[in-house]
Amino acid sequence: GNSVTQMEGPVTLSEEAFLTINCTYTATGYPSLFWYVQYPGEGLQLLLKATKADDKGSNKGFEATYRKETTSFHLEKGSVQVSDSAVYFCALTRGAGSYQLTFGKGTKLSVIP
Amino acid sequence: SAVISQKPSRDICQRGTSLTIQCQVDSQVTMMFWYRQQPGQSLTLIATANQGSEATYESGFVIDKFPISRPNLTFSTLTVSNMSPEDSSIYLCSVGRDREFNEQFFGPGTRLTVL
Repeated sequence: GNSVTQMEGPVTLSEEAFLTINCTYTATGYPSLFWYVQYPGEGLQLLLKATKADDKGSNKGFEATYRKETTSFHLEKGSVQVSDSAVYFCALTRGAGSYQLTFGKGTKLSVIP
Repeated sequence: SAVISQKPSRDICQRGTSLTIQCQVDSQVTMMFWYRQQPGQSLTLIATANQGSEATYESGFVIDKFPISRPNLTFSTLTVSNMSPEDSSIYLCSVGRDREFNEQFFGPGTRLTVL
């Protein structure tokens, strides 16, 4: 079956530091890949997505590239802000036309001034 | 996007009782799902709520424990039956509008504590 492995947190960074949160996956077929974010006290929000190999998803300064050869979808941001403090979830769907999501365990990011 | 509301937002229940959680969407959607997020854990899909037919449950989840209704394209309910402390979780409704873009939008969740 499908699975997602994320780097364990929590991760604590200083403001303006570079962020990488690793995500690797196991899947059959051609899954779509997502990063979701959960800010403190708020619901889960879609941050970015990629639907095929070599696609790059980007939003709010975050980027992730769908790497089929390494089965990875690492999340990066060049300069984090305090407002980026949240829990980040990597997820995938089972393939084209599928909605059912498989989530990683989540990585808690804390950014300190 | 879609605006999704859930009721109740939180509840504290006694062992052996049942709780029904409502999910309302501001527009018609194709797909509706129910997830569980146990304390400190990731989200796990419980079932797909199918309009006009029985829900499709994931492995490890059964209809007797988590009956689901979906009477129309904007509303669904999840009941957690015969609760035990192990059912303490956040329960989330999510919706998908367009199968091609397979994006999901999540409700704010219902935080359930079972004593």
